[in-house]
Amino acid sequence: ETGVTQTPRHLVMGMTNKKSLKCEQHLGHNAMYWYKQSAKKPLELMFVYSLEERVENNSVPSRFSPECPNSSHLFLHLHTLQPEDSALYLCASSQDPQGTNEKLFFGSGTQLSVL
Amino acid sequence: AQKVTQAQTEISVVEKEDVTLDCVYETRDTTYYLFWYKQPPSGELVFLIRRNSFDEQNEISGRYSWNFQKSTSSFNFTITASQVVDSAVYFCALSVFSGNTPLVFGKGTRLSVIA
Repeated sequence: ETGVTQTPRHLVMGMTNKKSLKCEQHLGHNAMYWYKQSAKKPLELMFVYSLEERVENNSVPSRFSPECPNSSHLFLHLHTLQPEDSALYLCASSQDPQGTNEKLFFGSGTQLSVL
Repeated sequence: AQKVTQAQTEISVVEKEDVTLDCVYETRDTTYYLFWYKQPPSGELVFLIRRNSFDEQNEISGRYSWNFQKSTSSFNFTITASQVVDSAVYFCALSVFSGNTPLVFGKGTRLSVIA
């Protein structure tokens, strides 16, 4: 148990659907992250929020829209996705808002399949 | 730019064998951090170790040991007397101290320990 909870664990959606992934951390951390893990590729950082403000957006398509309403919750809103967006989406948190050299705590991920 | 290479995609060993996972990194920064994470079948990445670039002492934690060699830009991970519970994907990662550069992960090595 890492203290980071993601829901749902699995999600199947059509290309025209709208869905959201949820992440909650119970660690009192100040930074939260979304990563994408595709088969045979390194983990790709998508978004970073530090003290509830977005500080990093790694050229992610606009069909992915993050939201961080407070320091404990992070959402990833999905709409009109493509089949190549199928992947494991991992949420992580860290104590330090500058976070780049910090140990990350990960959730178990949401396995997304886009049909 | 930073890069992490884990040349071994998959390794299989028989229980109680020792196994070494290789990690080679590239960076022009002189201050950086190296990490290892374990991803069991449940999905969440679990932090194992962080080393900074000024500390080349090898580290041992139970059956785990890490060999950091700046001369060869390597940070290898050895599991002694492997167990079935060690079966997972292991990721090496690098972050640099300068700027707000995110953590760079290798592609991971899938370790299967067979009883």
